[in-house]
Amino acid sequence: DVKVTQSSRYLVKRTGEKVFLECVQDMDHENMFWYRQDPGLGLRLIYFSYDVKMKEKGDIPEGYSVSREKKERFSLILESASTNQTSMYLCASRGRTGGYGTQYFGPGTRLLVL
Amino acid sequence: SQQGEEDPQALSIQEGENATMNCSYKTSINNLQWYRQNSGRGLVHLILIRSNEREKHSGRLRVTLDTSKKSSSLLITASRAADTASYFCATVATGGSEKLVFGKGTKLTVNP
Repeated sequence: DVKVTQSSRYLVKRTGEKVFLECVQDMDHENMFWYRQDPGLGLRLIYFSYDVKMKEKGDIPEGYSVSREKKERFSLILESASTNQTSMYLCASRGRTGGYGTQYFGPGTRLLVL
Repeated sequence: SQQGEEDPQALSIQEGENATMNCSYKTSINNLQWYRQNSGRGLVHLILIRSNEREKHSGRLRVTLDTSKKSSSLLITASRAADTASYFCATVATGGSEKLVFGKGTKLTVNP
């Protein structure tokens, strides 16, 4: 079974702090994704990566950056956390299927920015 | 951008009843997927239906796709309390996009 893990289930940070959210997958997947999920807005794509050191902006990249130094790990970075970044963050991975396959999700990190 | 829109937003039924959730989308798709999310958890893939398919079954799940109406439905038969969750449809557009575009979900409550 594919396993996607996220470094924290719950995180509390202060405004202005730099925040790192880590995601690791164990299936040698090429593609990895970061979403945020907010009530009434559903899931929105922040960034995705289709290979090591490659990244693409999603629909809401502002205020975020990402890092993919190793194939299994995809990090989401909040350079200077703000209260409007309080949200549930979900990581996902997918194998090389021409963009048409299933995504496998981690359990999520619920981030509270005070 | 949100492509899929689920209907209804919330659904409450009794155990043993069937639950039907609908999804509409806007552009041409390669496939449509349904995911389930238990409260506070990640999403779990349920079923994928390709644009050239009209119906697909998996256990108690039945998915239909009508590309002419740009809509899909998910039917859960003989529901159980453990089916209580949010259900999302997600689309992959034609043209080789790498992105899944999710709807806002239907919150299903199955009462014992």
